[in-house]
Amino acid sequence: QKEVEQNSGPLSVPEGAIASLNCTYSDRGSQSFFWYRQYSGKSPELIMSIYSNGDKEDGRFTAQLNRASQYISLLIRDSKLSDSATYLCAVLQAAGNKLTFGGGTRVLVKP
Amino acid sequence: EAQVTQNPRYLITVTGKKLTVTCSQNMNHEYMSWYRQDPGLGLRQIYYSMNVEVTDKGDVPEGYKVSRKEKRNFPLILESPSPNQTSLYFCASSPRDILYGYTFGSGTRLTVV
Repeated sequence: QKEVEQNSGPLSVPEGAIASLNCTYSDRGSQSFFWYRQYSGKSPELIMSIYSNGDKEDGRFTAQLNRASQYISLLIRDSKLSDSATYLCAVLQAAGNKLTFGGGTRVLVKP
Repeated sequence: EAQVTQNPRYLITVTGKKLTVTCSQNMNHEYMSWYRQDPGLGLRQIYYSMNVEVTDKGDVPEGYKVSRKEKRNFPLILESPSPNQTSLYFCASSPRDILYGYTFGSGTRLTVV
């Protein structure tokens, strides 16, 4: 079992709709959780971090953490064409300050 | 501007010819790391460093070396590159409190023929 798992997609979303991305992790001791966005050929850029159970909102983005289910999600509201990218979930594991990434979900926003 | 700078951006080399990819950050970050990214395999950690003279192996360290003699620099060394090291490489840094996440460099696309 991979330590951090994501559906590779592509997730096709109409412009203006909500995109919902999911991620699961295996290490129960994980401390912090991150969502990164990566455009093709570019470096990952941090969108959001979340440390506590529940929801965290930042503009059009909402991250959700459920430690009991070892599950993180990202909602993108009012999707824009520029949101088309690969979204990477990352988990800070308990041991060694190790940041482990999922394989990424490719999102395509269509006009 | 706060940034992580990698050089070169693109590199084509031959099997067995030693090479170094440089990484430098200007944010006084304690924590630095190297990742490689391959299609279908995602980002995998090669080595990381929690401070000067402190380095440790990540998930895929074979065939790579690193050093951390100064806080700002964290070069990646391939002593004898092989074709299976053809990949996109990213350097990243973070403050001691990694809760704030990593800042990534622009990447180095390496091709070994």
